[in-house]
Amino acid sequence: DQQVKQNSPSLSVQEGRISILNCDYTNSMFDYFLWYKKYPAEGPTFLISISSIKDKNEDGRFTVFLNKSAKHLSLHIVPSQPGDSAVYFCAASLLNRDDKIIFGKGTRLHILP
Amino acid sequence: EPEVTQTPSHQVTQMGQEVILRCVPISNHLYFYWYRQILGQKVEFLVSFYNNEISEKSEIFDDQFSVERPDGSNFTLKIRSTKLEDSAMYFCASSLFRTSDGNEQFFGPGTRLTVL
Repeated sequence: DQQVKQNSPSLSVQEGRISILNCDYTNSMFDYFLWYKKYPAEGPTFLISISSIKDKNEDGRFTVFLNKSAKHLSLHIVPSQPGDSAVYFCAASLLNRDDKIIFGKGTRLHILP
Repeated sequence: EPEVTQTPSHQVTQMGQEVILRCVPISNHLYFYWYRQILGQKVEFLVSFYNNEISEKSEIFDDQFSVERPDGSNFTLKIRSTKLEDSAMYFCASSLFRTSDGNEQFFGPGTRLTVL
C-alpha cells in the first residue's frame, strides 16, 4: 500500500546545480505535505512543508511545488551543496483528521564535486 | 537547539524477551509518536500519544506493544515478547501542536533493535 511514492531511489547532481526530487501520492485526501532529510545514523530532519491551499512554498535554497490535480509534488534545491547529500523523504498527512505522517521510501541524493 | 533524544542507540535481544525503548521528547512538546523503519523499507507510523493516552495507533501496534509517559520527560515504547520481525530502527518524534493542524514532527536519532 504505497500511498506516497518516490520512484527514484537515487539521484546524482553536480554541486551548484539544481536538485529536483519528485513525489507522487495516491490518496487525494492528503492535504499537508512534508519533506524530511536523513543522514546515516540520524533521525529524519524536517526541511519544508506545504498545505494544499498553496502550490509553492520557499525557504532559502529549498522550494516545494504542489500540483494537486496531478497528485504530485517536488522539492527543488538550488544551488546544491555537498552537505545536501542525504536521503530525502516525502511525507503526507491529513489536516484536521489525524496526526500520523505517511512516508515515501526516500530518494538518496548524491551531490557530486 | 532542542532535540529529541533516544536510548539506547542499539539494542540486541533474544526472541521472546521484553524490551523498552526510551525517548526524551523536546521539553515543551505535547504530542508524541513512535515510528519504525525495517531495513530497506519506508518509515511507518506506530502510535501517537497525547494527554497521557493513545490518540491513534496503526495495525502494526498490536497487544505486544505499549507506550507510557512515566514522568514529565520520558516517553517509552515497550515490546512485551519480541519477534524476529520486530527488528527495525525505531524513531521517536514529538510536536508542539498537532500535525493535523499543520505542524511538523521532530524526530530522534532512532534505536536500532535487533532480535536474535
